Amino acid sequence: NAGVMQNPRHLVRRRGQEARLRCSPMKGHSHVYWYRQLPEEGLKFMVYLQKENIIDESGMPKERFSAEFPKEGPSILRIQQVVRGDSAAYFCASSPPDSTGELFFGEGSRLTVL
Amino acid sequence: GNSVTQMEGPVTLSEEAFLTINCTYTATGYPSLFWYVQYPGEGLQLLLKATKADDKGSNKGFEATYRKETTSFHLEKGSVQVSDSAVYFCALSLYSSASKIIFGSGTRLSIRP
Repeated sequence: NAGVMQNPRHLVRRRGQEARLRCSPMKGHSHVYWYRQLPEEGLKFMVYLQKENIIDESGMPKERFSAEFPKEGPSILRIQQVVRGDSAAYFCASSPPDSTGELFFGEGSRLTVL
Repeated sequence: GNSVTQMEGPVTLSEEAFLTINCTYTATGYPSLFWYVQYPGEGLQLLLKATKADDKGSNKGFEATYRKETTSFHLEKGSVQVSDSAVYFCALSLYSSASKIIFGSGTRLSIRP
């Protein structure tokens, strides 16, 4: 049973480019969460999605950031016109519908903006 | 609001020392409490959890007891190993589903041989 798969593991972008991060949840998990971790800081919640629905996006910056979890395929976190401050590790987590609160994390995608 | 406050790091100990990492919470209602661990270059893994008052979670020699009266969930281990070096996150979840888990800021633990 494969765990949460994130790709790419490392992504380098120049300022103004777009970054797309992908996350495939564990089999049987229909809930996906994205978190951002800045260097030497804790995890900040960004968005919570279920298939084809955004449930809670209270942690998403209002501009340039978007997320989706289509009926088929992985969840995508998209960052348009990246800036240096977007450099961080982005973690995806998933949970089953009947979860009591446990999240299963991927290994993260590390974005570096030059 | 709902929040988690944990001991600031870094914490540096010698091998076989006793470990305590403090965690207190503020929550409306009755949260479930968690400790997650993040090893270098990896994602977070659930270490242990407790879902109601006086529950004790335990795993890999680590323990934490859900104390409602002090709103605390301190992490302890009797004898740490070098392989325990990692960042430890205390977290709470307010609902029966993982709608949004609130994490503490993390405590970096380094164990000297």
